Amino acid sequence: EIVMTQSPATLSVSPGERVTLSCRASQSVSDNLAWYQQKPGQSPRLLIYGASTRATGIPARFSGSGSGTEFTLTISSLQSEDFALYYCQQYNNWPRTFGQGTKVEIK
Amino acid sequence: EVQLVESGGGVVQPGGSLRLSCVASGFTFSSYSMHWVRQAPGKGLEYVSAIGYNGDTYYADSVKGRFSISRDNSKNTLYLQMGSLRPEDMAVYYCARVGPAPGDLWGQGTLVTV
Repeated sequence: EIVMTQSPATLSVSPGERVTLSCRASQSVSDNLAWYQQKPGQSPRLLIYGASTRATGIPARFSGSGSGTEFTLTISSLQSEDFALYYCQQYNNWPRTFGQGTKVEIK
Repeated sequence: EVQLVESGGGVVQPGGSLRLSCVASGFTFSSYSMHWVRQAPGKGLEYVSAIGYNGDTYYADSVKGRFSISRDNSKNTLYLQMGSLRPEDMAVYYCARVGPAPGDLWGQGTLVTV
């Protein structure tokens, strides 16, 4: 099973700041990597797939990069509605494993 | 409206069974692979099971032999039959559509308490 490791576990950020979240795979997943946002009491929402393609309706301030084993989700200017949990998921191998999540909280 | 709606969650004793349903609307259900993902209280996301549009299935090791995924394309419905339930199976269970990514559309989830 591919292990996905996200860092940091928690990020304390002020609105307007640039945020970078990391996700590392224990072996190459090519660009078969997705990012999800989850707010309390809600189901996850797809942000990025194919490591760098924004899903429909996702604002341009969200961007993804990387391939192989190292991936990054960047939020260029954090908005109040962006405070949430973020998960990466690889879909190159079975099972389609998730990272443990990064919580982005208000500083 | 494009949506997924889960149902069937509830309280069950250890060793018991439960069947979850996920009704799809607003898209051609039969053309999509679907999966189930669960989230234990306060924990992260765990992949549970998947079924292809052609009926191929996949199970996580943690549920293999106890859970069974199926679909009824005539009813636009995805199922998860869960048996021999354990306390560690307690979670919110989400169904999700596999589009360009494994979860391009998610349901609201249904809570299973063991």
